[in-house]
Amino acid sequence: NAGVTQTPKFQVLKTGQSMTLQCAQDMNHEYMSWYRQDPGMGLRLIHYSVGAGITDQGEVPNGYNVSRSTTEDFPLRLLSAAPSQTSVYFCASSPTGGPDYGYTFGSGTRLTVV
Amino acid sequence: KNQVEQSPQSLIILEGKNCTLQCNYTVSPFSNLRWYKQDTGRGPVSLTIMTFSENTKSNGRYTATLDADTKQSSLHITASQLSDSASYICVVSAYAGNMLTFGGGTRLMVKP
Repeated sequence: NAGVTQTPKFQVLKTGQSMTLQCAQDMNHEYMSWYRQDPGMGLRLIHYSVGAGITDQGEVPNGYNVSRSTTEDFPLRLLSAAPSQTSVYFCASSPTGGPDYGYTFGSGTRLTVV
Repeated sequence: KNQVEQSPQSLIILEGKNCTLQCNYTVSPFSNLRWYKQDTGRGPVSLTIMTFSENTKSNGRYTATLDADTKQSSLHITASQLSDSASYICVVSAYAGNMLTFGGGTRLMVKP
């Protein structure tokens, strides 16, 4: 059982480039979300999805786009990378009912924008 | 605004010693509080969860306490091991909205 798989683990982008962070889970979880983690700060919610075809914005959605075409996959797109998006990104999933039932996190993607 | 504050920000202890990490929150209405352990380069993993009616929860050498009146929680680690070196994150959930509030974490280093 792989749990939540994120790719890539590391990425360096130039300002203005776009890219997609991949997230896949094999636990049949309905709820998936993306967080960013910055030094000294708590994880902040970027976007989340309560099921295939349904997405919504979190606390810090600007500059990011998501889609959920299948239950398994929840990619995060950076439209035009900025240095302020340098961070560690975590994808997380939880069963129907949401994160109240506990998250399973991926191992993270460390993104540097130069 | 919902907030979760953790202290200390970082802590160094010797192997075999005990330590206590603190979490104060202002999340309302309170649903539950979790402590997560995050090893370097990994995602957080849940250690304990407590609801309003629970004031103590143990998971091996980890014991979490909750005082819902003062809105404080603590995580006590007994007989620390080198593998306890990690960041510990307090996460509070409010009823409705599927929104969690994360603390900034306490970075614990256990030295031999």
